Amino acid sequence: EAGVVQSPRYKIIEKKQPVAFWCNPISGHNTLYWYLQNLGQGPELLIRYENEEAVDDSQLPKDRFSAERLKGVDSTLKIQPAELGDSAVYLCASSPSLAGGQETQYFGPGTRLLVL
Amino acid sequence: SQQGEEDPQALSIQEGENATMNCSYKTSINNLQWYRQNSGRGLVHLILIRSNEREKHSGRLRVTLDTSKKSSSLLITASRAADTASYFCATVFNQAGTALIFGKGTTLSVSS
Repeated sequence: EAGVVQSPRYKIIEKKQPVAFWCNPISGHNTLYWYLQNLGQGPELLIRYENEEAVDDSQLPKDRFSAERLKGVDSTLKIQPAELGDSAVYLCASSPSLAGGQETQYFGPGTRLLVL
Repeated sequence: SQQGEEDPQALSIQEGENATMNCSYKTSINNLQWYRQNSGRGLVHLILIRSNEREKHSGRLRVTLDTSKKSSSLLITASRAADTASYFCATVFNQAGTALIFGKGTTLSVSS
């Protein structure tokens, strides 16, 4: 069974530029999460999807961040414009249960973003 | 803000020794999970313990949960160099639909 796929693995951009990350969850997983992980810290939730619906986006900085999961499968997270403080690892995870967070989450390898 | 706090922040041991990591949390939980993260990689689920369980085993891993003290411990027995990684506890609150809240992690280094 293929795991959670993320691309790109690494991205270097200049500040004020846009950037997008893509995630393909494990087949059949209804719940998809985007996390932000700063160096030396644990992941922090940005947004959670149940199928195509964003059910928890309270931690997503909506002035510059946006996300979509149009067909309830793969998802894109966008930052526009990027700031220096956005440099971090962006993790995508999925789980099979509709009860978000109640079951094991499966993580992708992450996208490491560096904003110069 | 992060719910769980792991202790110690860093731990260095020799192969064959046991490693114990602790996690404290602040509010009532539904379950608590432990994850491992190797350098530059994603997180891998290790074990889940529910609020009505007190101890759980999986291979060389032993997890305990004390809800009265709001704490959990992860014991890795007979450690190997391959166990070198960061270990995170993550909690799920009692409220339905809440995602995992991670601590800052314990960095374990096992030398041969």
